[in-house]
Amino acid sequence: GNSVTQMEGPVTLSEEAFLTINCTYTATGYPSLFWYVQYPGEGLQLLLKATKADDKGSNKGFEATYRKETTSFHLEKGSVQVSDSAVYFCALAGSGYALNFGKGTSLLVTP
Amino acid sequence: KAGVTQTPRYLIKTRGQQVTLSCSPISGHRSVSWYQQTPGQGLQFLFEYFSETQRNKGNFPGRFSGRQFSNSRSEMNVSTLELGDSALYLCASSLGTGGRDTGELFFGEGSRLTVL
Repeated sequence: GNSVTQMEGPVTLSEEAFLTINCTYTATGYPSLFWYVQYPGEGLQLLLKATKADDKGSNKGFEATYRKETTSFHLEKGSVQVSDSAVYFCALAGSGYALNFGKGTSLLVTP
Repeated sequence: KAGVTQTPRYLIKTRGQQVTLSCSPISGHRSVSWYQQTPGQGLQFLFEYFSETQRNKGNFPGRFSGRQFSNSRSEMNVSTLELGDSALYLCASSLGTGGRDTGELFFGEGSRLTVL
């Protein structure tokens, strides 16, 4: 079946550092891939998505590229801010209108 | 426009009781999904409804059930509560019509259930 594996963290970075959160997936076919973010005390929000191989999703300075050959969708940001502190979830949409989520990566950015 | 609203936000129950959680989707959204979030298992899909019909169901026991009303509002029910049911229950809405919007979910803040 479909599954998502991501580094669990916590990840602690200084402000303006480079961020990478790894995500790999197992799926049949060509699923759409997503990154969702959960800020403290809030619900999950869609951060970015990619629907086919080699697509790059981007939003708020974050980027992720759909790599079919490595079954990966790593999240990157060139310069993190304190306000980026949150839990980040990688997810895939296979069939049937259900999302398979990774377990989440907690990010703490310190001033 | 208003976001996804879940009630109640917090509740405490004892083993063996039952609980009903409510979700009001974004206006115009016809699909409502439910997820269980726990520290150990992460986010797990419970079920999804579209136009009052359950389209998909996750791997949870029959104690977990749901329904959707004609105004797209949804409820989920857990009967005979167990300690392991303690979790944050998240509701998400979407247009639900497939295509390029598939997977773009709008989540509520969740209902935190504690079972004692």
